[in-house]
Amino acid sequence: SAVISQKPSRDICQRGTSLTIQCQVDSQVTMMFWYRQQPGQSLTLIATANQGSEATYESGFVIDKFPISRPNLTFSTLTVSNMSPEDSSIYLCSVAEDPYQPQHFGDGTRLSIL
Amino acid sequence: AQSVTQLGSHVSVSEGALVLLRCNYSSSVPPYLFWYVQYPNQGLQLLLKYTSAATLVKGINGFEAEFKKSETSFHLTKPSAHMSDAAEYFCAVSDRNGGSNYKLTFGKGTLLTVNP
Repeated sequence: SAVISQKPSRDICQRGTSLTIQCQVDSQVTMMFWYRQQPGQSLTLIATANQGSEATYESGFVIDKFPISRPNLTFSTLTVSNMSPEDSSIYLCSVAEDPYQPQHFGDGTRLSIL
Repeated sequence: AQSVTQLGSHVSVSEGALVLLRCNYSSSVPPYLFWYVQYPNQGLQLLLKYTSAATLVKGINGFEAEFKKSETSFHLTKPSAHMSDAAEYFCAVSDRNGGSNYKLTFGKGTLLTVNP
């Protein structure tokens, strides 16, 4: 399966600032996704990152808060904007070859907002 | 909308004992089903997947799961627990039709602790 690298692995940020998380894959993949895992909780899909077009956001997530880029088939970024303590979570990138294959996950970015 | 229920947020077993983690799904059609494991400070690792008619699925690290359509269940088992199995386990379901709306719905997770 693809090797997925996320940067940074963790960060501590001040409220009101923004952070961009990078997801790099060692092979071209059709589908890339961004998830949020709040402390002690399960994973919630934020959006599907579409190459060459706008991301598709899930209910409760908006582009102004979580802008996503996907310039090519191996790379995507998620920005968490105007952060508040409620944004303290693990953010995970995942990829899939096609809709019938399992998703594979990066190690996540552990974000704390002070 | 699909949903996944994992019974038991925390399961504790002794080393060498049977591991049973329960997962029930709701879906109008047989879905794709997955079990993932998350070790501390790591992402999710795929344990096994159900995508076909084979109801008993074998995965990595000695785990297996049985798909039971009549019970809408996909419970995860391992005959003998190791200390290294201590982790959080997530059951997930995906619409079998795939397509542009490929989405995994996760259960709330079960934390497995293994006692020496």
